[in-house]
Amino acid sequence: DQQVKQNSPSLSVQEGRISILNCDYTNSMFDYFLWYKKYPAEGPTFLISISSIKDKNEDGRFTVFLNKSAKHLSLHIVPSQPGDSAVYFCAASAYTGFQKLVFGTGTRLLVSP
Amino acid sequence: DAGVTQSPTHLIKTRGQQVTLRCSPKSGHDTVSWYQQALGQGPQFIFQYYEEEERQRGNFPDRFSGHQFPNYSSELNVNALLLGDSALYLCASSPGGQAISETQYFGPGTRLLVL
Repeated sequence: DQQVKQNSPSLSVQEGRISILNCDYTNSMFDYFLWYKKYPAEGPTFLISISSIKDKNEDGRFTVFLNKSAKHLSLHIVPSQPGDSAVYFCAASAYTGFQKLVFGTGTRLLVSP
Repeated sequence: DAGVTQSPTHLIKTRGQQVTLRCSPKSGHDTVSWYQQALGQGPQFIFQYYEEEERQRGNFPDRFSGHQFPNYSSELNVNALLLGDSALYLCASSPGGQAISETQYFGPGTRLLVL
């Protein structure tokens, strides 16, 4: 049972344009959401997070939007840069005294010059 | 400030053997979680250690076991290796305690190949 879904395995965007990566979840108990970026041969790097009490969080070029009623979150990257090319993972957790992350399958973003 | 470190970086084993992977958490972190990432998949939670005890476990068999030391470093042991255990094994650390939201920081991983 895939509780966190990233339905787009890949996305291609031109440099300077907006990249929008999407993530859907099924578990209504999830209350904390994170995006990680992963380059080949490296571990996932934390990018940005959002608590379920918010609907938006910004950090520089990265903005995460959360729509709890639709059980949907998205990551916006503006403007996109070639160095953003990587696999992006959406992760979620439900606080039960400790935190366990449930990951999606990832979206490979390619930003071309 | 050193981040999460893991050793070894790569490992080749044969079916039936046993393997031990090691992780040192980020400075100031006392909680260590282990994940398995198969090819083309997202990381899957194996278990988490806090105060030298396993406090949650994912859907993995008892062949997977772990340990946390007083200095917060951790080991993942896998017995009776199967071909399907071939994967990238990731360690993540976090500040732990009872925080509602904790960001987990990942190490570079150990790539295990079982032949």
